[in-house]
Amino acid sequence: GAGVSQSPSNKVTEKGKDVELRCDPISGHTALYWYRQSLGQGLEFLIYFQGNSAPDKSGLPSDRFSAERTGGSVSTLTIQRTQQEDSAVYLCASSLGAGHITGELFFGEGSRLTVL
Amino acid sequence: KQEVTQIPAALSVPEGENLVLNCSFTDSAIYNLQWFRQDPGKGLTSLLLIQSSQREQTSGRLNASLDKSSGRSTLYIAASQPGDSATYLCAVWGGGTSYGKLTFGQGTILTVHP
Repeated sequence: GAGVSQSPSNKVTEKGKDVELRCDPISGHTALYWYRQSLGQGLEFLIYFQGNSAPDKSGLPSDRFSAERTGGSVSTLTIQRTQQEDSAVYLCASSLGAGHITGELFFGEGSRLTVL
Repeated sequence: KQEVTQIPAALSVPEGENLVLNCSFTDSAIYNLQWFRQDPGKGLTSLLLIQSSQREQTSGRLNASLDKSSGRSTLYIAASQPGDSATYLCAVWGGGTSYGKLTFGQGTILTVHP
């Protein structure tokens, strides 16, 4: 596609359920990033992939959070046993090569998660 | 741990004013610094990237400066327009073990009224 695509755009779930958020990066982009934006908290780094590997998983808030990327393309962020504090907008971004060098970072519009 | 602070948190100005948004960061060992714009309900759009060896970057009515040693950056917007209304985010790319990690400030909410 022309841009970074995220799905679902909105997800309402009950506390304790598992959710999967999907990110489809721009074709050919090797780097993929996940961020979380909570009300009043700003943007929080979650995880970064270069190809299929994640050199930095330090931002995942707990072991309920996991992410994978297969085929160097689509990534899935999974939250198990969701809690109310997981409610946020989850943003994905991709870049061709190293985003920290080019600054050419493209963001999707996010997946808004609401945990009741 | 890198922390990024933006001042002011919100700013409301009449159209045509020149304005300055401020950003400071605690760890000067950054790779690059980047300014983004976010419109309500949308993702982020990159405005300017300043490499750590540079002092400033310009794009149209926007000028961003970087003083890495003092941990400060400013975004200058000339002749503001209502279409500039958005949240402006400053972010630093980590160096060393934080390679690939972008740390954001809380943002400045800008409103430009006609």
